[in-house]
Amino acid sequence: AQSVAQPEDQVNVAEGNPLTVKCTYSVSGNPYLFWYVQYPNRGLQFLLKYITGDNLVKGSYGFEAEFNKSQTSFHLKKPSALVSDSALYFCAVRAGNMLTFGGGTRLMVKP
Amino acid sequence: DAGVIQSPRHEVTEMGQEVTLRCKPISGHNSLFWYRQTMMRGLELLIYFNNNVPIDDSGMPEDRFSAKMPNASFSTLKIQPSEPRDSAVYFCASILITGELFFGEGSRLTVL
Repeated sequence: AQSVAQPEDQVNVAEGNPLTVKCTYSVSGNPYLFWYVQYPNRGLQFLLKYITGDNLVKGSYGFEAEFNKSQTSFHLKKPSALVSDSALYFCAVRAGNMLTFGGGTRLMVKP
Repeated sequence: DAGVIQSPRHEVTEMGQEVTLRCKPISGHNSLFWYRQTMMRGLELLIYFNNNVPIDDSGMPEDRFSAKMPNASFSTLKIQPSEPRDSAVYFCASILITGELFFGEGSRLTVL
């Protein structure tokens, strides 16, 4: 069975600094990996995905994620954080039609 | 397209009452998912449908929970009778063939 781990409940970063939100996964076969963002009182929104190809994937709002097969990781990154990036971030792995989500990481960007 | 549409957005009810949550997936998406989100348990998959057929309902917590998808454009999640521990935000999502889930805005249920 597939699983996703987000080891940090919360990440704090100052505005303008780079940010990283960590994700590791376990899945049989080739991984299909996703990042979603959830703003308060809203549904989850798709940010980016890795299916195959380049290990660095670019997504919405300036976010990118780096796939590392040897470390089974898919960390979310952004070179310069904005206060408006503060939200809950979920990593997910797909097997068949099933998406398994991590527990979420709350990102707090301080001005 | 208007996206995944859920109703009601908020529901407050008393213990023992029946609750029905509704979802209209994005047209052309052939898989639909119901999730529940709580602070304690995070995001849990309750059930998913493929081409209107329930495929995996192992996440449905109890017999009090039931879900139907009578056609490609409508699904319901019913709780009967409701209990305070059912209080949560319930999300419906439909999937694009490329794998991205599109979520509705959720139905926040409070059972008193």
